[in-house]
Amino acid sequence: DAKTTQPNSMESNEEEPVHLPCNHSTISGTDYIHWYRQLPSQGPEYVIHGLTSNVNNRMASLAIAEDRKSSTLILHRATLRDAAVYYCILRDDGGGTSYGKLTFGQGTILTVHP
Amino acid sequence: DTAVSQTPKYLVTQMGNDKSIKCEQNLGHDTMYWYKQDSKKFLKIMFSYNNKELIINETVPNRFSPKSPDKAHLNLHINSLELGDSAVYFCASSPWAGRNTIYFGEGSWLTVV
Repeated sequence: DAKTTQPNSMESNEEEPVHLPCNHSTISGTDYIHWYRQLPSQGPEYVIHGLTSNVNNRMASLAIAEDRKSSTLILHRATLRDAAVYYCILRDDGGGTSYGKLTFGQGTILTVHP
Repeated sequence: DTAVSQTPKYLVTQMGNDKSIKCEQNLGHDTMYWYKQDSKKFLKIMFSYNNKELIINETVPNRFSPKSPDKAHLNLHINSLELGDSAVYFCASSPWAGRNTIYFGEGSWLTVV
């Protein structure tokens, strides 16, 4: 699976938007961009994923660059409950070689201040 | 109801012991996984089963043996525990081994003393 680069940590204030960047310059055509997050003392949970177009769901939005070499996870209004480690992961969903596995990197530790 | 449940949640044991962690999913998924998160918080896949058949077996010591009695269960047995086995072990499942969301359990904290 291709490698991603994320900042080690970011901070935000409650009720403000948060933009979490991810670089993936070696992304292949069949790689989907997945975001998971891990709240303290819990297992990872799915946030959002996409291939080329921007995506929205009830948790977040995913903005994907036109060349697909970077993406940004957007939390529109951060809450204290959004404090977590956010993982940007590429998975070869189109090529079918991943068998579904996720390869986690270091992720970004998001701190949300009241 | 918890979708992916693991037992025990906490386990403290001595070096050299053999222990098992059980995992059950009630989502009707075909694929199950075991991940390990070490002290540096790095998450790495260990095994994956699809319909009771092993499909992913990363470089893991032979002391670790997964067992899937049916597609709703994937247990992890560890022989001759070592200090370095101390970690958090996460069970997970997905509808099938492909383009799917993976659902994780809450983790089993293993401490070897």
